[in-house]
Amino acid sequence: QQPVQSPQAVILREGEDAVINCSSSKALYSVHWYRQKHGEAPVFLMILLKGGEQKGHEKISASFNEKKQQSSLYLTASQLSYSGTYFCGTGGGADGLTFGKGTHLIIQP
Amino acid sequence: KAGVTQTPRYLIKTRGQQVTLSCSPISGHRSVSWYQQTPGQGLQFLFEYFSETQRNKGNFPGRFSGRQFSNSRSEMNVSTLELGDSALYLCASSHRAADTQYFGPGTRLTVL
Repeated sequence: QQPVQSPQAVILREGEDAVINCSSSKALYSVHWYRQKHGEAPVFLMILLKGGEQKGHEKISASFNEKKQQSSLYLTASQLSYSGTYFCGTGGGADGLTFGKGTHLIIQP
Repeated sequence: KAGVTQTPRYLIKTRGQQVTLSCSPISGHRSVSWYQQTPGQGLQFLFEYFSETQRNKGNFPGRFSGRQFSNSRSEMNVSTLELGDSALYLCASSHRAADTQYFGPGTRLTVL
């Protein structure tokens, strides 16, 4: 089943923070986050594995709550380059990944 | 390391025709997954191949098929094209299905 992302879209000013949520009705083994800019392929951001460890790089981090079957992506002090569509992918084992419909993020100067 | 390559990048076909898309994964990657991306549905999983075997299949009609060769290159075929097949078709390679997926630039298919 496709994970549900929220919000569907968000508009921010440069420097503001954003949170994107991803929830699943199935037990999660891993959550993958990708960003896609217009006209480009999705690019991997990070993967969170079962265990609840929060990961991140630069000002983008994520958490994974197995009990709630959800993950959240945190963008701190957003930059113009953060604009794009963010996808979470869930799955595990041999099932491959199922992606949410995406969250459109627009950062304005 | 070279990235994932897809050919052709753009394709225009008419209803009823068939089309074959090609994907070359990152060297050493044995898993290739295919996705259809449309504005309304987002990224939808088509199928995944690992070592020449189809391991997973999404909820698409039998008109959509694929295969993988011994060098891990993969092709997908769509027969009897319909207008609704117009989409960006992305392939992604990884070591295994649940690993980080590296996407190619996609093939933009337009069906007239």
